[in-house]
Amino acid sequence: AQSVTQLDSQVPVFEEAPVELRCNYSSSVSVYLFWYVQYPNQGLQLLLKYLSGSTLVKGINGFEAEFNKSQTSFHLRKPSVHISDTAEYFCAVSDLNFGNEKLTFGTGTRLTIIP
Amino acid sequence: DADVTQTPRNRITKTGKRIMLECSQTKGHDRMYWYRQDPGLGLRLIYYSFDVKDINKGEISDGYSVSRQAQAKFSLSLESAIPNQTALYFCATSDINGGEQYFGPGTRLTVT
Repeated sequence: AQSVTQLDSQVPVFEEAPVELRCNYSSSVSVYLFWYVQYPNQGLQLLLKYLSGSTLVKGINGFEAEFNKSQTSFHLRKPSVHISDTAEYFCAVSDLNFGNEKLTFGTGTRLTIIP
Repeated sequence: DADVTQTPRNRITKTGKRIMLECSQTKGHDRMYWYRQDPGLGLRLIYYSFDVKDINKGEISDGYSVSRQAQAKFSLSLESAIPNQTALYFCATSDINGGEQYFGPGTRLTVT
Protein backbone atom coordinates (compact mmCIF):
# COMPACT_ATOMS: atom_id res chain seq x y z
CA ALA A 1 0.00 0.00 0.00
CA GLN A 2 1.15 3.51 -0.69
CA SER A 3 0.69 6.66 1.37
CA VAL A 4 1.45 10.36 1.15
CA THR A 5 2.28 12.76 3.97
CA GLN A 6 2.07 16.51 3.57
CA LEU A 7 3.78 17.82 6.63
CA ASP A 8 2.22 21.28 6.72
CA SER A 9 -1.52 21.84 6.62
CA GLN A 10 -1.15 25.62 6.26
CA VAL A 11 1.73 27.76 5.01
CA PRO A 12 1.58 31.58 5.13
CA VAL A 13 4.16 33.35 2.96
CA PHE A 14 4.79 36.99 2.13
CA GLU A 15 4.35 38.02 -1.48
CA GLU A 16 7.55 37.69 -3.55
CA ALA A 17 9.14 35.40 -0.94
CA PRO A 18 10.15 31.81 -1.77
CA VAL A 19 8.07 28.86 -0.67
CA GLU A 20 8.55 25.12 -0.21
CA LEU A 21 5.65 22.73 0.33
CA ARG A 22 6.78 19.39 1.67
CA CYS A 23 5.63 15.95 0.56
CA ASN A 24 6.87 12.52 1.61
CA TYR A 25 5.56 9.23 0.31
CA SER A 26 5.85 5.54 1.04
CA SER A 27 5.46 2.71 -1.42
CA SER A 28 6.83 -0.77 -1.91
CA VAL A 29 7.19 -0.27 -5.67
CA SER A 30 8.33 2.46 -8.02
CA VAL A 31 5.97 5.38 -8.32
CA TYR A 32 4.74 8.31 -10.33
CA LEU A 33 4.44 11.56 -8.35
CA PHE A 34 2.17 14.55 -8.88
CA TRP A 35 1.35 17.95 -7.49
CA TYR A 36 -2.16 19.30 -8.03
CA VAL A 37 -3.49 22.78 -7.22
CA GLN A 38 -7.02 23.65 -6.22
CA TYR A 39 -7.97 27.31 -6.48
CA PRO A 40 -10.96 28.48 -4.40
CA ASN A 41 -14.22 26.95 -5.59
CA GLN A 42 -12.56 25.04 -8.42
CA GLY A 43 -11.53 21.50 -9.25
CA LEU A 44 -8.00 20.15 -9.19
CA GLN A 45 -5.49 21.13 -11.85
CA LEU A 46 -2.18 19.41 -12.50
CA LEU A 47 0.86 21.53 -11.59
CA LEU A 48 3.58 19.04 -12.47
CA LYS A 49 4.43 15.36 -12.52
CA TYR A 50 7.41 13.06 -12.20
CA LEU A 51 7.30 9.86 -14.24
CA SER A 52 11.00 9.16 -14.88
CA GLY A 53 14.21 10.84 -15.98
CA SER A 54 15.44 14.12 -14.51
CA THR A 55 14.63 14.41 -10.83
CA LEU A 56 13.97 18.15 -11.13
CA VAL A 57 10.58 18.70 -12.67
CA LYS A 58 9.27 22.06 -13.84
CA GLY A 59 5.57 22.80 -13.93
CA ILE A 60 3.16 25.59 -14.65
CA ASN A 61 3.13 29.01 -12.99
CA GLY A 62 6.84 28.89 -12.10
CA PHE A 63 6.61 25.90 -9.76
CA GLU A 64 9.15 23.08 -9.67
CA ALA A 65 9.63 19.93 -7.62
CA GLU A 66 12.51 17.60 -6.94
CA PHE A 67 12.18 13.85 -6.63
CA ASN A 68 14.48 12.42 -3.98
CA LYS A 69 14.28 8.65 -3.98
CA SER A 70 16.53 8.10 -0.96
CA GLN A 71 14.43 10.44 1.16
CA THR A 72 11.16 9.43 -0.52
CA SER A 73 10.29 13.08 -0.95
CA PHE A 74 8.83 15.27 -3.67
CA HIS A 75 8.88 18.82 -2.33
CA LEU A 76 7.31 21.66 -4.31
CA ARG A 77 9.09 25.01 -4.60
CA LYS A 78 8.62 28.45 -6.09
CA PRO A 79 11.30 31.16 -5.83
CA SER A 80 8.87 34.09 -5.65
CA VAL A 81 5.16 33.74 -4.92
CA HIS A 82 2.32 35.93 -6.08
CA ILE A 83 -1.09 36.65 -4.60
CA SER A 84 -2.61 34.46 -7.31
CA ASP A 85 -0.78 31.42 -5.88
CA THR A 86 -3.19 31.38 -2.95
CA ALA A 87 -4.72 27.91 -3.18
CA GLU A 88 -4.64 24.41 -1.72
CA TYR A 89 -1.92 22.11 -2.99
CA PHE A 90 -2.12 18.33 -3.04
CA CYS A 91 0.69 15.86 -3.48
CA ALA A 92 -0.29 12.48 -4.96
CA VAL A 93 1.41 9.18 -5.73
CA SER A 94 0.54 6.41 -8.17
CA ASP A 95 2.32 3.10 -7.99
CA LEU A 96 3.58 1.44 -11.14
CA ASN A 97 1.45 -1.67 -10.65
CA PHE A 98 0.41 -1.79 -14.28
CA GLY A 99 -3.29 -2.30 -14.78
CA ASN A 100 -4.17 -1.16 -11.30
CA GLU A 101 -2.80 2.34 -11.09
CA LYS A 102 -4.60 4.55 -8.61
CA LEU A 103 -3.75 7.93 -7.13
CA THR A 104 -3.32 8.32 -3.40
CA PHE A 105 -3.55 11.92 -2.23
CA GLY A 106 -2.06 13.73 0.71
CA THR A 107 -4.26 15.79 2.99
CA GLY A 108 -3.31 19.06 1.31
CA THR A 109 -1.41 22.24 2.17
CA ARG A 110 -3.22 25.54 2.15
CA LEU A 111 -0.88 28.26 0.85
CA THR A 112 -1.81 31.79 1.87
CA ILE A 113 0.08 34.71 0.35
CA ILE A 114 0.38 37.78 2.55
CA PRO A 115 0.53 41.11 0.67
CA ASP B 1 -16.25 23.32 -23.34
CA ALA B 2 -14.97 21.48 -20.29
CA ASP B 3 -13.54 18.00 -20.86
CA VAL B 4 -15.02 16.59 -17.63
CA THR B 5 -18.41 17.85 -16.51
CA GLN B 6 -20.41 17.11 -13.38
CA THR B 7 -24.07 17.65 -12.63
CA PRO B 8 -25.45 19.03 -10.46
CA ARG B 9 -22.82 21.50 -9.21
CA ASN B 10 -24.63 22.02 -5.93
CA ARG B 11 -27.27 19.93 -4.23
CA ILE B 12 -29.03 20.04 -0.89
CA THR B 13 -30.97 16.96 0.09
CA LYS B 14 -32.56 15.42 3.15
CA THR B 15 -31.50 12.40 5.15
CA GLY B 16 -32.83 9.18 3.65
CA LYS B 17 -33.26 10.50 0.11
CA ARG B 18 -31.70 8.82 -2.90
CA ILE B 19 -29.47 11.04 -4.96
CA MET B 20 -27.42 10.59 -8.13
CA LEU B 21 -24.40 12.60 -9.18
CA GLU B 22 -23.46 12.43 -12.83
CA CYS B 23 -20.15 12.72 -14.64
CA SER B 24 -19.49 12.98 -18.36
CA GLN B 25 -16.21 13.27 -20.24
CA THR B 26 -15.17 14.06 -23.78
CA LYS B 27 -11.53 13.07 -23.38
CA GLY B 28 -12.06 9.54 -24.71
CA HIS B 29 -10.49 8.02 -21.60
CA ASP B 30 -11.35 4.53 -20.44
CA ARG B 31 -10.68 5.12 -16.77
CA MET B 32 -13.01 7.08 -14.51
CA TYR B 33 -12.99 7.76 -10.77
CA TRP B 34 -15.16 9.21 -8.01
CA TYR B 35 -13.60 10.96 -5.01
CA ARG B 36 -14.91 12.85 -2.04
CA GLN B 37 -13.07 15.76 -0.48
CA ASP B 38 -13.44 16.68 3.18
CA PRO B 39 -11.54 19.48 4.92
CA GLY B 40 -8.26 18.20 6.33
CA LEU B 41 -8.66 14.75 4.76
CA GLY B 42 -7.69 15.42 1.17
CA LEU B 43 -9.34 13.35 -1.55
CA ARG B 44 -10.46 9.80 -0.89
CA LEU B 45 -11.37 7.32 -3.59
CA ILE B 46 -14.94 6.01 -3.56
CA TYR B 47 -15.15 3.90 -6.73
CA TYR B 48 -13.23 3.55 -9.96
CA SER B 49 -13.78 1.97 -13.35
CA PHE B 50 -11.07 0.99 -15.81
CA ASP B 51 -13.55 0.28 -18.62
CA VAL B 52 -17.29 -0.06 -19.16
CA LYS B 53 -17.41 -3.61 -17.77
CA ASP B 54 -15.06 -2.98 -14.85
CA ILE B 55 -16.17 -1.47 -11.52
CA ASN B 56 -14.02 -1.46 -8.38
CA LYS B 57 -14.48 -0.27 -4.82
CA GLY B 58 -12.18 2.36 -3.46
CA GLU B 59 -11.26 3.01 0.15
CA ILE B 60 -14.62 4.46 1.21
CA SER B 61 -17.33 2.76 -0.88
CA ASP B 62 -19.83 1.99 1.92
CA GLY B 63 -23.11 3.85 1.36
CA TYR B 64 -22.35 4.52 -2.31
CA SER B 65 -22.94 2.74 -5.62
CA VAL B 66 -21.91 3.54 -9.19
CA SER B 67 -22.98 2.88 -12.73
CA ARG B 68 -20.83 3.08 -15.86
CA GLN B 69 -23.43 3.66 -18.54
CA ALA B 70 -20.93 4.23 -21.36
CA GLN B 71 -17.27 5.02 -21.82
CA ALA B 72 -18.10 8.69 -21.33
CA LYS B 73 -20.50 8.47 -18.38
CA PHE B 74 -19.98 7.41 -14.78
CA SER B 75 -22.61 8.15 -12.14
CA LEU B 76 -22.44 7.96 -8.36
CA SER B 77 -25.50 7.18 -6.24
CA LEU B 78 -26.23 7.59 -2.59
CA GLU B 79 -29.07 5.15 -1.93
CA SER B 80 -30.06 6.68 1.39
CA ALA B 81 -28.18 9.88 2.10
CA ILE B 82 -26.90 10.63 5.59
CA PRO B 83 -25.42 13.89 6.99
CA ASN B 84 -21.83 12.60 7.10
CA GLN B 85 -21.96 12.25 3.32
CA THR B 86 -21.96 16.03 3.14
CA ALA B 87 -18.82 16.75 1.11
CA LEU B 88 -17.38 17.94 -2.17
CA TYR B 89 -17.45 15.18 -4.79
CA PHE B 90 -15.09 15.01 -7.75
CA CYS B 91 -15.10 12.89 -10.86
CA ALA B 92 -11.83 12.28 -12.69
CA THR B 93 -10.60 10.46 -15.80
CA SER B 94 -7.29 9.08 -17.00
CA ASP B 95 -6.00 7.22 -20.02
CA ILE B 96 -4.86 3.62 -20.06
CA ASN B 97 -1.29 4.51 -19.16
CA GLY B 98 -2.42 5.67 -15.74
CA GLY B 99 -0.60 8.62 -14.37
CA GLU B 100 -2.26 11.98 -14.66
CA GLN B 101 -5.94 12.32 -13.83
CA TYR B 102 -8.21 15.07 -15.13
CA PHE B 103 -10.80 16.41 -12.73
CA GLY B 104 -14.27 17.80 -13.10
CA PRO B 105 -15.35 20.99 -11.30
CA GLY B 106 -16.94 19.14 -8.41
CA THR B 107 -20.39 18.74 -6.87
CA ARG B 108 -21.02 20.24 -3.47
CA LEU B 109 -23.51 17.98 -1.67
CA THR B 110 -25.20 18.90 1.58
CA VAL B 111 -27.32 16.34 3.44
CA THR B 112 -29.56 17.84 6.13
